[in-house]
Amino acid sequence: GAGVSQSPSNKVTEKGKDVELRCDPISGHTALYWYRQSLGQGLEFLIYFQGNSAPDKSGLPSDRFSAERTGGSVSTLTIQRTQQEDSAVYLCASSLAPSDGELFFGEGSRLTVL
Amino acid sequence: GQQLNQSPQSMFIQEGEDVSMNCTSSSIFNTWLWYKQDPGEGPVLLIALYKAGELTSNGRLTAQFGITRKDSFLNISASIPSDVGIYFCAGRQYGNKLVFGAGTILRVKS
Repeated sequence: GAGVSQSPSNKVTEKGKDVELRCDPISGHTALYWYRQSLGQGLEFLIYFQGNSAPDKSGLPSDRFSAERTGGSVSTLTIQRTQQEDSAVYLCASSLAPSDGELFFGEGSRLTVL
Repeated sequence: GQQLNQSPQSMFIQEGEDVSMNCTSSSIFNTWLWYKQDPGEGPVLLIALYKAGELTSNGRLTAQFGITRKDSFLNISASIPSDVGIYFCAGRQYGNKLVFGAGTILRVKS
């Protein structure tokens, strides 16, 4: 597709379950980012992938959070043993190059943990 | 760590008025960006600034990259109802992740 695609758009899960969120970046974009946005809040950086370099994981809030990017394209954000405070919109973005500040965002995956 | 202080947090304005918001930091950035987020959607880029002192316009929007490289402002002229949304500033140091301000919620009185 032409833009960043995220799935699912909405996910409701029970506390303690694992969830996987998927991001398809724009074709040819080498940089991929995950951000978290809690209700009425700004964007909290989670993780950043750039080509084959080691990802910048400095924003992951706990070891329950992990992400991978296969083949330099699709990325999956996994949250294990979900907690209620994990409820938020998880936004994925991609950019053409690391020095290119113009991030293009997907519409986000809204996660609700009951 | 890198922090962007964005103000105001929220504002109500009268349709037709001009709006101004800004972002400051104690760190130097090489790139400043302004995004707008509509409800239920991801942020969309409005203006990108790459050079200190740069002043860039996009329709009714004008943004400037502060000369110290530690701040930026966004002006919206003659606001209209569809300007409602959340505006985010974002800054990048070369090779590093993009960090975002907390956002300015814009509400317009029609």
